Amino acid sequence: EIVMTQSPATLSVSPGERATLSCRASQSVSSNLAWYQQKPGQAPRFLIYGASTRATGIPARFSGSGSGTEFTLTISSLQSEDFAAYYCQQYNNWPLTFGGGTKVEIK
Amino acid sequence: EVQLVQSGAEVKEPGQSLKISCQASGYSFTNCWIGWVRLMPGKGLEWMGIIYPGDSDTRYSPSFQGQVTISADKSIGTAYLQWSSLKASDTAMYYCARVVEGAQRGAFDIWGQGTMVTVSS
Repeated sequence: EIVMTQSPATLSVSPGERATLSCRASQSVSSNLAWYQQKPGQAPRFLIYGASTRATGIPARFSGSGSGTEFTLTISSLQSEDFAAYYCQQYNNWPLTFGGGTKVEIK
Repeated sequence: EVQLVQSGAEVKEPGQSLKISCQASGYSFTNCWIGWVRLMPGKGLEWMGIIYPGDSDTRYSPSFQGQVTISADKSIGTAYLQWSSLKASDTAMYYCARVVEGAQRGAFDIWGQGTMVTVSS
């Protein structure tokens, strides 16, 4: 099973600042990586697939990069609605697996 | 509009059985894989398994194989997650989600609203 490790567990950022979230795979997943956002009490929201392609309706301030084992989600200028938990997921190998998540909180 | 609507919250005792549902609409139910994801209190998302409603082909995470059963009724566009004997450790929010069209191994693009399952004596 591929283990996905996200860091940091918690990221404290001021509104308007840039946030950089990391996701590492225990073995290569090529570009078969997705990112999700989840707010308390809500279902996850699909953000990014193919490591770098934004899903429909996702603002351009969200960008993904990386391939192989190292991936990054960048939020260029945090808005109030962006404070949430973020999860990466690999879909290269069975079983598909999620990372443990990064909580982005207001500094 | 493409959507997944899940059944309501459940409170059960240990040892009881349970089947929760996820009704799809707005797309061809038989042509997309649909899966289940667990969110335990204070924890992260866990991929449980997926089913292809067209032929009921099913894939499970080893962590959930034998612990739950995923099924689908294509005549009514509904997927199910069931337990034969619940444990307190099954207490969690459960989400159904659609795999992106055309993919077996793929990201989840549409999510249900979640079903909270509480198991307590």
